Amino acid sequence: NAGVMQNPRHLVRRRGQEARLRCSPMKGHSHVYWYRQLPEEGLKFMVYLQKENIIDESGMPKERFSAEFPKEGPSILRIQQVVRGDSAAYFCASSPGQGSFSGYGYTFGSGTRLTVV
Amino acid sequence: QKEVEQNSGPLSVPEGAIASLNCTYSDRGSQSFFWYRQYSGKSPELIMFIYSNGDKEDGRFTAQLNKASQYVSLLIRDSQPSDSATYLCAVIDYNQGGKLIFGQGTELSVKP
Repeated sequence: NAGVMQNPRHLVRRRGQEARLRCSPMKGHSHVYWYRQLPEEGLKFMVYLQKENIIDESGMPKERFSAEFPKEGPSILRIQQVVRGDSAAYFCASSPGQGSFSGYGYTFGSGTRLTVV
Repeated sequence: QKEVEQNSGPLSVPEGAIASLNCTYSDRGSQSFFWYRQYSGKSPELIMFIYSNGDKEDGRFTAQLNKASQYVSLLIRDSQPSDSATYLCAVIDYNQGGKLIFGQGTELSVKP
């Protein structure tokens, strides 16, 4: 029974390239959350998605960042024209999505470590 | 925007001692609170949750919640070197469907 799957685990991009991070939620989970963790800092909420819908993108930078969760396939966090300040760990979490949000069952993937050179 | 504050540490305790980690939150209406542990280079893992005032015990861990003072704490008894990690406090933000908001984490170091 696979947990939350993120890939790649490590990603190196040159400044100006695009980074695509993927997240497949746990089986039975329909809600996906993306967080960014800068070195020596806590987890910062970025975006919350359900299938084909962005529910809350209040933590997303206004430019260069986008996210989607299509009907089929994983959720994708896309960073265009990366800069050195984008270097961070990006974590995805999923939750069951039934009923009102309770926080229980909120499960994190192993993260993608993005390094911009 | 809900805010969660933690001392970043590092907090250093000797093996066998009690480690006390504290967290304060800005929204008096917050209901549920979570403690996650994150080892260096790894993902966060849930260790405790609490939603009622008072203490909740699970093995060597005790979560304490005081809603009037808006703080939540985590006590680790008989601390072990394997407890050395960053501990993240989180609260639920129910705006737009719900999500967890995290503090910046407290780094704990348990010295043998």
